[in-house]
Amino acid sequence: EPEVTQTPSHQVTQMGQEVILRCVPISNHLYFYWYRQILGQKVEFLVSFYNNEISEKSEIFDDQFSVERPDGSNFTLKIRSTKLEDSAMYFCASSATGGATAGELFFGEGSRLTVL
Amino acid sequence: KNQVEQSPQSLIILEGKNCTLQCNYTVSPFSNLRWYKQDTGRGPVSLTIMTFSENTKSNGRYTATLDADTKQSSLHITASQLSDSASYICVVSDYKLSFGAGTTVTVRA
Repeated sequence: EPEVTQTPSHQVTQMGQEVILRCVPISNHLYFYWYRQILGQKVEFLVSFYNNEISEKSEIFDDQFSVERPDGSNFTLKIRSTKLEDSAMYFCASSATGGATAGELFFGEGSRLTVL
Repeated sequence: KNQVEQSPQSLIILEGKNCTLQCNYTVSPFSNLRWYKQDTGRGPVSLTIMTFSENTKSNGRYTATLDADTKQSSLHITASQLSDSASYICVVSDYKLSFGAGTTVTVRA
């Protein structure tokens, strides 16, 4: 069964450093997403991406964050100058359709980021 | 502001028993409602997606109901198994997804 894969599964970084989280969405999907879940809290939307550009972003997704689809398979989330409060599980997701009628959303297993 | 409220926050049930989780929402306009299962430390996995016209949908031992008039949904787990221990998240869509905080279900032998 096709799946969304994320790397690394866990990354520990020092405050102020840059991290890149990588995702390989399901191959025939067109819509890609990043979500964040701080330990014990609800899943929060960060950004959606379609046709090689950001289609929507939340207030969390400020200039510290960026996304990129550098090739035909990878979808990356870059976090610059990490802060303690960036410690969270970051989930990548993809879907075949998007918008209000978005079909089933497939999530990866997540990348746990720990900022020290 | 669109909100999705789930109850209870957590529950413990004995293996083989049934349970029902609740979801109330204020999201408008409504497009669809989803239930996800999230095992600890893992990504959410879709259980059901329901549109405005659907009021019941099943996926194995999981049955979701939707009352779009009262803006309420429930997820019923039948004959619970130890593997059902997880967080169950209600997600409601207008043009974007609004996540509930989840209900943590613990199934004990």
